[in-house]
Amino acid sequence: ETGVTQTPRHLVMGMTNKKSLKCEQHLGHNAMYWYKQSAKKPLELMFVYNFKEQTENNSVPSRFSPECPNSSHLFLHLHTLQPEDSALYLCASSPGTSGTSYEQYFGPGTRLTVT
Amino acid sequence: GENVEQHPSTLSVQEGDSAVIKCTYSDSASNYFPWYKQELGKRPQLIIDIRSNVGEKKDQRIAVTLNKTAKHFSLHITETQPEDSAVYFCAAIPSYSSASKIIFGSGTRLSIRP
Repeated sequence: ETGVTQTPRHLVMGMTNKKSLKCEQHLGHNAMYWYKQSAKKPLELMFVYNFKEQTENNSVPSRFSPECPNSSHLFLHLHTLQPEDSALYLCASSPGTSGTSYEQYFGPGTRLTVT
Repeated sequence: GENVEQHPSTLSVQEGDSAVIKCTYSDSASNYFPWYKQELGKRPQLIIDIRSNVGEKKDQRIAVTLNKTAKHFSLHITETQPEDSAVYFCAAIPSYSSASKIIFGSGTRLSIRP
């Protein structure tokens, strides 16, 4: 176990549903990230939080809404998603966001299917 | 925009042979280049990384080389074993920014034939 956990592991939701993904890290890291992993595409960085503050939003549609109440927890709130949003959503943490602190520790991911 | 190109997308080698995966980056300010391995159904994990002040780095059967002039870096796996079968991702991070600018390659699916 890498110390980064995600729930749920699998989620099926309709386009009108509202759901949330949860990530928790037990590594004492200061930065947390959301990634989207689609088949045959690169890992796409969605959001970055450093010390609970969002430092990056890589042009992610507003139907994805992140929340970081503290350095150990990260949420991704989902609403009115589209079928093309179906993917594996990976959470990661790192000690920091500079110097030698870049290494990403990934969670197991949430497999999301939008019907 | 900034991007990282990775080749090949799939690679099959005989057990015991070497495998080489190449990546090219566009942002000359990039100075940190990690490689991640993702086994089937598992999470990506860092296997090796290199910084721009180093040309080559080795860790047992794995090595990474960096050519800053040409803006490309490569992963070399020698004496391949079945457990090397996985998807490998390269990435680049520009020096002027934080890890918020991590850009991943599209991945290489490596298969080791017995």
